[in-house]
Amino acid sequence: DAGVIQSPRHEVTEMGQEVTLRCKPISGHDYLFWYRQTMMRGLELLIYFNNNVPIDDSGMPEDRFSAKMPNASFSTLKIQPSEPRDSAVYFCASSADRGERGYTFGSGTRLTVV
Amino acid sequence: DAKTTQPNSMESNEEEPVHLPCNHSTISGTDYIHWYRQLPSQGPEYVIHGLTSNVNNRMASLAIAEDRKSSTLILHRATLRDAAVYYCIPPDYKLSFGAGTTVTVRA
Repeated sequence: DAGVIQSPRHEVTEMGQEVTLRCKPISGHDYLFWYRQTMMRGLELLIYFNNNVPIDDSGMPEDRFSAKMPNASFSTLKIQPSEPRDSAVYFCASSADRGERGYTFGSGTRLTVV
Repeated sequence: DAKTTQPNSMESNEEEPVHLPCNHSTISGTDYIHWYRQLPSQGPEYVIHGLTSNVNNRMASLAIAEDRKSSTLILHRATLRDAAVYYCIPPDYKLSFGAGTTVTVRA
């Protein structure tokens, strides 16, 4: 099992550009989560999906952020247009059932917006 | 939503045990208690979870109070590789992280 796979590992982009982060969850996991981590705010839940359906997106900062899960093996987090304050490490995690057996995180995407 | 309280930091010497407390006084009777850790420059990593009885795995032990209002993560022999931020996760499947406890291990 390759675990949760995120790409790219690092992304540097200019303010105003569109950024797309990608995640492949563990096969068979029904839940997928997107997190953002900064020094100031720590680890924040942005959105989570259950069976490919967005359940709670109350953590998404604003309309510039959108997330999709077109199928059970792929999810994207898009920022358009990007701003310097979006610079952070973005993590994807997946779990089976409601997570009683734990959640598996990807290695993260470090986003820098200049 | 249930909340947890952890000390901000703890220090230990290498090869000594580390006891990390967590208060979760608002936990309900059927919610699991999860612990995760995050090593520098890595994503959070599952450590252990439990419901009522004490739990052991290759990474750590989890001692759960009889009233389930608190728990203690035990690293039996701390190594330098155990230096990380340890999170006691509220019993909420949305997995909201707090500030955690930063563990420093001295050689």
